[in-house]
Amino acid sequence: NAGVTQTPKFRVLKTGQSMTLLCAQDMNHEYMYWYRQDPGMGLRLIHYSVGEGTTAKGEVPDGYNVSRLKKQNFLLGLESAAPSQTSVYFCASSSGRITEAFFGQGTRLTVV
Amino acid sequence: AQSVAQPEDQVNVAEGNPLTVKCTYSVSGNPYLFWYVQYPNRGLQFLLKYITGDNLVKGSYGFEAEFNKSQTSFHLKKPSALVSDSALYFCAVRDGGDNFNKFYFGSGTKLNVKP
Repeated sequence: NAGVTQTPKFRVLKTGQSMTLLCAQDMNHEYMYWYRQDPGMGLRLIHYSVGEGTTAKGEVPDGYNVSRLKKQNFLLGLESAAPSQTSVYFCASSSGRITEAFFGQGTRLTVV
Repeated sequence: AQSVAQPEDQVNVAEGNPLTVKCTYSVSGNPYLFWYVQYPNRGLQFLLKYITGDNLVKGSYGFEAEFNKSQTSFHLKKPSALVSDSALYFCAVRDGGDNFNKFYFGSGTKLNVKP
């Protein structure tokens, strides 16, 4: 009963490096989301997807790209990491318009 | 524009006393409202939601929330706080109108329950 799984849990990057965060859900949910959490700012939506093959921008999309090639996976990419992208990243999924979202355990990313 | 406000960064309450964590929202359509709890170094856990119907919603761990349409509020409550309730609480809204695909989260309220 895994729910939403994020990989990796921790990562340290150097400025300019690239990486991909993987989110996998086993609940057959249509909607998937990537958020970042920063102190005092709550959760801010980076990108989201309403189904396989679709993606859309959220509140803070700059510097990030996403892909949803398979329904169960939602990938978040950083092409050239910057210190401002140091944050905790959460993936979430939901089944429909009025249903709650289920969250992964988070990825703590530090860019030095 | 859609938004959620949690006016208190921190709420302190003694164990056994009632607690309230405040939330107000702004959406263009009908609001779908949610409360989540986050323990240190963990993801967010769903507590309860309001979609339609009775304004008082009951959820996990003895929490409840009251929807007030005229005041656009959805405050989280618990009759008797436990030390184990100490955590970070987030209110979220989903807009039943044009932006229904997105959840909007508040900035979070840290609840401290003292023995």
